[in-house]
Amino acid sequence: QSVLTQPPSASGTPGQRVTISCSGSSSNIGGNTVNWYQQLPGTAPTLLIYDTDQRPSGVPPRFSGSKSGTSASLAISGLQSEDEADYYCATWDDRMNGRVVFGGGTKLTVL
Amino acid sequence: EVQLVQFGAEVKKPGESLKISCKGSGYTFSTYWIAWVRQMPGKGLEWMGTIYPGDSDTRYSPSFQGKVTISADKSIATAYLQWSRLRVSDTAIYYCARRRESGYSAFDLWGQGTLVTVSS
Repeated sequence: QSVLTQPPSASGTPGQRVTISCSGSSSNIGGNTVNWYQQLPGTAPTLLIYDTDQRPSGVPPRFSGSKSGTSASLAISGLQSEDEADYYCATWDDRMNGRVVFGGGTKLTVL
Repeated sequence: EVQLVQFGAEVKKPGESLKISCKGSGYTFSTYWIAWVRQMPGKGLEWMGTIYPGDSDTRYSPSFQGKVTISADKSIATAYLQWSRLRVSDTAIYYCARRRESGYSAFDLWGQGTLVTVSS
């Protein structure tokens, strides 16, 4: 069972806006920045959002991140077929001498 | 080109030892933390630990402390993950990833992963 809770699945049609949630607690999301990863089928993860709402170079602006309290969200606008992938949130958890924690992942299907 | 290179696959028997590697190039390897991340078949990502190649300072996840050893040789820009006695349950893809200068969990460069299969 993951420390961070994500919905196991999400879906949308091309052009739609989809959001993926990531729920934690005061020891992780509540006090630290959040990062998001995209994992396309059969490939290694890539960093999609860092420091809660920053995009690495090369990531299109239709991907955005936000945080409120102990929850974070990834929003994808103008959904495209190539966005079909697994998405993971990650942050630092201050408990147990500190550790990186990931969400369980959300499989996004583009209908 | 900035990259982390890992070998594709290893097949081992239960009880055997294994050391897999992750070689960095295109950047100053010794000045960025390197993490190891496990992905079991059909499952999510799990952080195993992180090492700073500059001085080999290492942090382990409580879930993996004592079960694996993380090391690095900055002279050849390579990080390692090793097991002394493999179990069938160690079957997984193991990724190495470079941590951004800021943010404990922001990994901006990933290796392609090493598939470790443990089977009798």
